[in-house]
Amino acid sequence: AQSVSQHNHHVILSEAASLELGCNYSYGGTVNLFWYVQYPGQHLQLLLKYFSGDPLVKGIKGFEAEFIKSKFSFNLRKPSVQWSDTAEYFCALRSGNTGKLIFGQGTTLQVKP
Amino acid sequence: DAGITQSPRHKVTETGTPVTLRCHQTENHRYMYWYRQDPGHGLRLIHYSYGVKDTDKGEVSDGYSVSRSKTEDFLLTLESATSSQTSVYFCAISVGQGVGETQYFGPGTRLLVL
Repeated sequence: AQSVSQHNHHVILSEAASLELGCNYSYGGTVNLFWYVQYPGQHLQLLLKYFSGDPLVKGIKGFEAEFIKSKFSFNLRKPSVQWSDTAEYFCALRSGNTGKLIFGQGTTLQVKP
Repeated sequence: DAGITQSPRHKVTETGTPVTLRCHQTENHRYMYWYRQDPGHGLRLIHYSYGVKDTDKGEVSDGYSVSRSKTEDFLLTLESATSSQTSVYFCAISVGQGVGETQYFGPGTRLLVL
């Protein structure tokens, strides 16, 4: 069965620290992968997406993610976090032709000023 | 927000009562989805629609029904609300086709079942 796993449930960083959030998936076919962010009290917003091609994808607000097929991973990174990055982050896998998304459990990031 | 609105935004109801949540889009996208968000579970798909009167079940469909009589509206009904259905409900649409297809989410409805 297809699944997405985010191992870090709660991450606390100081401003300017580097960020890496883990995402691993289980799926044997071609994958489309996404990272969404949810700021407190808001809806999900798309950070970045991977469909094919360059495995290093860049998104909004300085975020990037690297697709490593051999490791079934799609980790999210940012070189220097800001207090405004405090949010919950979701990794998702797109399944089949229906476009259904399978989400990970989410990672709450708290950035201390 | 990709032209998605949800109503109501907040609702408190009692166990056993029916509840209908509405998702409205302005851009005539074919695919629409209902998810629920719960701590520790991320988002889980309840039902989705691939056209007018065309719907299918998702991962957690028990206790929920949907209807889509117009392209722009996708309704989620809790026939008899239970406390386990207390959650935040998000509607989403798919934009684009094939490789470039991406889901965008509405603002959410926070439902409390007492």
